[in-house]
Amino acid sequence: GDSVTQMEGPVTLSEEAFLTINCTYTATGYPSLFWYVQYPGEGLQLLLKATKADDKGSNKGFEATYRKETTSFHLEKGSVQVSDSAVYFCALSGAGGTSYGKLTFGQGTILTVHP
Amino acid sequence: KAGVTQTPRYLIKTRGQQVTLSCSPISGHRSVSWYQQTPGQGLQFLFEYFSETQRNKGNFPGRFSGRQFSNSRSEMNVSTLELGDSALYLCASSLVGASNQPQHFGDGTRLSIL
Repeated sequence: GDSVTQMEGPVTLSEEAFLTINCTYTATGYPSLFWYVQYPGEGLQLLLKATKADDKGSNKGFEATYRKETTSFHLEKGSVQVSDSAVYFCALSGAGGTSYGKLTFGQGTILTVHP
Repeated sequence: KAGVTQTPRYLIKTRGQQVTLSCSPISGHRSVSWYQQTPGQGLQFLFEYFSETQRNKGNFPGRFSGRQFSNSRSEMNVSTLELGDSALYLCASSLVGASNQPQHFGDGTRLSIL
């Protein structure tokens, strides 16, 4: 079945540092890929998405490129802020009828940014 | 545009009881999905409803059930509660549940079983 693997956390960075959170996936066909962010006490917010190979999703300075050849969707940001501290989830939605409304998530990566 | 609304935000129950959680999707969204989030298992898909029909189901026991109404609002029910059912239950909506459509999440219902 479909699966998503994220780099182990937690990740601790200083403000303005470069961020990479690795995400690889296993799926048949051509899934859609997403990054979600969760702040304490809240639900998940969509950060960015990519629905086909070589697509680059971007939002709020975050970027991720859908790499079919390496089955990866790594999240990057050039300069993190304290307000970026949260839990980040990589997720996929598989192609085909059995995937209706179903997201498969990675285990989440806790990011803490210090001033 | 109002987001996904889940009620109640917090619930405390005892073992053996049953519970009903409610979800109102974004206006115009017809697909509603439910997830369970725990520290040990992470985010796991429960089921998805579209046009009042369950189209997809995760690997959970039959104690977990749901339904969807004609206005797309959804409820999930958990019967004979167990300690392990303590979790954050998240509801998400999308236009029609297609794989390329992002899901929009509510803030969840925190269920604690004593």
